[in-house]
Amino acid sequence: GAGVSQSPRYKVAKRGQDVALRCDPISGHVSLFWYQQALGQGPEFLTYFQNEAQLDKSGLPSDRFFAERPEGSVSTLKIQRTQQEDSAVYLCASSLAGGSGGFSYGYTFGSGTRLTVV
Amino acid sequence: AQSVAQPEDQVNVAEGNPLTVKCTYSVSGNPYLFWYVQYPNRGLQFLLKYITGDNLVKGSYGFEAEFNKSQTSFHLKKPSALVSDSALYFCAVRCILAVSGSTLGRLYFGRGTQLTVWP
Repeated sequence: GAGVSQSPRYKVAKRGQDVALRCDPISGHVSLFWYQQALGQGPEFLTYFQNEAQLDKSGLPSDRFFAERPEGSVSTLKIQRTQQEDSAVYLCASSLAGGSGGFSYGYTFGSGTRLTVV
Repeated sequence: AQSVAQPEDQVNVAEGNPLTVKCTYSVSGNPYLFWYVQYPNRGLQFLLKYITGDNLVKGSYGFEAEFNKSQTSFHLKKPSALVSDSALYFCAVRCILAVSGSTLGRLYFGRGTQLTVWP
């Protein structure tokens, strides 16, 4: 597709439930990022993939958060045993290239998945 | 540590007047700087970026931003505001130099500034 697609757009989960959020990046984009945007805050970095390799997961808030991109295209962010503090918009972004100079191409963000844990 | 500050949570301006949304940053090394806009229930839309070159950067929808290295600022400006410019604006910085524990491509965002343009 022309843009970054995320699904579902909205997800309501009961506390303790596992959820999976999907990101379809722009075809051919090497780099993929996940960000968490809490209400009233700017996006916070979660994790970064270059192709299928997860090069940085330093932003994942706990071991309940797990991300994968097994074939270097679609990525899934999984949250186990959801807690109320996980409620946020989860944004995915992709970029054409990676490496030190590649990000001058910029980033394209998806519309996000709004997760509400009740 | 890398960080971005947007000192104003809200900016209100009358349609037709000039607008400024402020941003200051702190990075190790030279920065790449970005402005994004977010409409309700939408993702972030790219407005403009500064990589190198002229300090005045022109972007989408008539917006521009001025990079000031001495003041470590990257304020967003528009000569004549429109009601349709009302949205949430985010400034972001990316490090050029790899810093231990920092992904090269990772963006650091400010908290956002809600711009309201009234008719």
